[in-house]
Amino acid sequence: SAVISQKPSRDICQRGTSLTIQCQVDSQVTMMFWYRQQPGQSLTLIATANQGSEATYESGFVIDKFPISRPNLTFSTLTVSNMSPEDSSIYLCSVEESRETQYFGPGTRLLVL
Amino acid sequence: SQKIEQNSEALNIQEGKTATLTCNYTNYSPAYLQWYRQDPGRGPVFLLLIRENEKEKRKERLKVTFDTTLKQSLFHITASQPADSATYLCALISGGYNKLIFGAGTRLAVHP
Repeated sequence: SAVISQKPSRDICQRGTSLTIQCQVDSQVTMMFWYRQQPGQSLTLIATANQGSEATYESGFVIDKFPISRPNLTFSTLTVSNMSPEDSSIYLCSVEESRETQYFGPGTRLLVL
Repeated sequence: SQKIEQNSEALNIQEGKTATLTCNYTNYSPAYLQWYRQDPGRGPVFLLLIRENEKEKRKERLKVTFDTTLKQSLFHITASQPADSATYLCALISGGYNKLIFGAGTRLAVHP
């Protein structure tokens, strides 16, 4: 199974600033996914990132707020822009290793003051 | 509207007993359903997948059933252990690609 790391593991940020979260995979994968998990809530898909194409955003998420980069088959970044306290959440990346299985990173815990 | 529902209340059981968690869904016709385990501060870990044409799937002490008529999946852990304490999430595929839709999860606490 793929091994996924995320940086930072946690951060405390000020309102109005931006944070870029990195996701690194130990093998080449086609599809990477970014999720948000708010306290006590289920995981919500933000966007799907394929290498070499624009990310596909889910309803309620826009590129200006959550720009994503996917420069190669092992790496992706998610930026949370112009943060507000409502963005406090856990952000997770995952990869699809087969059509039926996804593997998740450990998550980035974000607190916006 | 489309929903995936898991019991939001924590399930407390004694060690050695069988834990049964429920996942109900509405307005989906998933080809398969997945179960994940999530420990505090960690990402979900894939446990089992069951396809729509499968009634039951087993893996060691885990058993999953899938009733597409009732639109329900049951997740069983037999001979439960305190180490099984975690939040268990069900998820199903929606759309033409692997977009996973998650339930909110049920927290299981196994007491010695």
